Amino acid sequence: DGGITQSPKYLFRKEGQNVTLSCEQNLNHDAMYWYRQDPGQGLRLIYYSQIVNDFQKGDIAEGYSVSREKKESFPLTVTSAQKNPTAFYLCASGRILTDTQYFGPGTRLTVL
Amino acid sequence: KQEVTQIPAALSVPEGENLVLNCSFTDSAIYNLQWFRQDPGKGLTSLLLIQSSQREQTSGRLNASLDKSSGRSTLYIAASQPGDSATYLCAVGPMNRDDKIIFGKGTRLHILP
Repeated sequence: DGGITQSPKYLFRKEGQNVTLSCEQNLNHDAMYWYRQDPGQGLRLIYYSQIVNDFQKGDIAEGYSVSREKKESFPLTVTSAQKNPTAFYLCASGRILTDTQYFGPGTRLTVL
Repeated sequence: KQEVTQIPAALSVPEGENLVLNCSFTDSAIYNLQWFRQDPGKGLTSLLLIQSSQREQTSGRLNASLDKSSGRSTLYIAASQPGDSATYLCAVGPMNRDDKIIFGKGTRLHILP
């Protein structure tokens, strides 16, 4: 089945720790995205990538890092520099930036 | 800079009624507009995509319209059901292929049984 997956579904982190969220797609999409969603704030773009080995900062990239070593994978690392990391994180992919986006099921990160 | 607004933020409607959700955008130079549905704690599911050259798209009980000149889109839901309860988001795709899709904050819809 074609689709986009995220793991884990729930993630708990202690303050000061880095954590990495996984995002994988088998849709052969070039573009991939990471969003953060907080109650009442809508979706905010963290990072996006249009092609392998290339990515750009979104609107709230501080405290996050990404890599795009393979077309299928776009992992997001939430570093200790992110002051308020508790949120719902959504990964998406699309053929190109202006094309429809397909979303994964999300990862809920909680900092203890 | 493109801004996408969805009003109201929340809406409650009795089951069986027809309803309209609104989306407005500030820059009419768009490539497409898309409506998504999001259930609590889940990802977004694409409902309808309207290209800039189109006026509307239909899927089952859903009909989305686009008026670029006025910067507005509506999502019409016919004969609403409790299963339609969710948050509905619209997203605007820019003409510049290097720009990003801009999302509205969504309208949280509750269908009353």
